[in-house]
This record gives sequence, structure tokens and C-alpha cells, in this order.
Amino acid sequence: EPEVTQTPSHQVTQMGQEVILRCVPISNHLYFYWYRQILGQKVEFLVSFYNNEISEKSEIFDDQFSVERPDGSNFTLKIRSTKLEDSAMYFCASTGTGQETQYFGPGTRLLVL
Amino acid sequence: EDQVTQSPEALRLQEGESSSLNCSYTVSGLRGLFWYRQDPGKGPEFLFTLYSAGEEKEKERLKATLTKKESFLHITAPKPEDSATYLCAVQHGNTDKLIFGTGTRLQVFP
Repeated sequence: EPEVTQTPSHQVTQMGQEVILRCVPISNHLYFYWYRQILGQKVEFLVSFYNNEISEKSEIFDDQFSVERPDGSNFTLKIRSTKLEDSAMYFCASTGTGQETQYFGPGTRLLVL
Repeated sequence: EDQVTQSPEALRLQEGESSSLNCSYTVSGLRGLFWYRQDPGKGPEFLFTLYSAGEEKEKERLKATLTKKESFLHITAPKPEDSATYLCAVQHGNTDKLIFGTGTRLQVFP
């Protein structure tokens, strides 16, 4: 069964460093998303991406964040200068059309020290 | 303000003891309501999508229902492997983003 994969599973970084989180969406999907979940809190939307551009972003997704689809299979989230409050689980999701079910990856646990 | 509220926050059941989880929502123009299961340290795993009031979906011991204000996830004769956090999310208007509730943490004891 096709699934969304994410790497790395865990990432520890120092405050101020850049991190890139990687996702491989389901192969025939066209819409891609990033969400995050701070420990003990709800899952929050960050950004949606379609046709090589951002279609929607939340207030959390400020200038420190960027997304890219560098090739036909990968979808990345970059945080340029990490802050302590960026520590969270980051989930990638994908769907065939924007109105269909979003399928989530296993997540990357990011810890900023 | 768009809101998704789940109750109870936590639920402890004996194996075989049926119960229901609630998800109430206040959004305009609901496009879909989604139920996911989340195990500790893992990503949300899709269970059901409901699109209109009166709709019901079933899968094994789980049944999801939808009204104009809320959704219920009914668990019949649960087993310990049903222990997880159950998340409700809504999609509305002309946006694709999911708005999640805080989840119900279910523990089923043998």
C-alpha cells in the first residue's frame, strides 16, 4: 500500500541552525502539506503546496520557513534559523486532489537546543 | 472562530465495554470531517471521511456518524489494540487545510 515517508525520523539541532525536513509523498498525489504538533498539543496546519507553489500558509509559517519540491518525488520543509519553540513533530501529508483525504507520514521529531 | 472540540479528553474502557467519542465543530461550509487514529510518536492514520449530515461509515469495531454540529466515533466491544489517540479534523470553505481537535486518548484494558 502506498505511503508517505519522511526523513529523518529524529533531528537534534542547535538554536539558529538551518534544518531541512524531507518527505516523499504518495507517487500520484498532487497536493502536499506540512503540519506540526508540539508535544501534548493539537496538530496544526503550516502550509499547502500545489503546482510548484504555496497555495495557503498559516500564521506560523513565517519568513523562516520555506518549502520546495526539488524533483518529482521529494517535498521539503526548510527552517532557516531554528528557535527553541520550533521543537515539535513535523508531519508531511499528501492527497490526490485538494478535497480528498490527506494521508500523513510518520513524522520527524525536531528538537532545538 | 473555527473550532473543533473533542470529548472526553481521555477514556478508559474495559475490553468489550462499548462507548462513543464526540467531536463538535463550529465552521462555516463544512466540506468534510475526518477521523484519524494516532499512536504515540507516530503520524495520524486515516480512519474515515464524512461529508454530509446523516452519513455513517463503519470499519471493524468502529463506526463514525455525522450531524450538522457534531460527529461521533462509536467503538463496539473494544480490544486493547484499539488503545490510541483518536483525532477529529474538519475541512471547510475553499481551503484544503485540516483543523484538528485535541483528540481523545483511549485506553482499553484487558
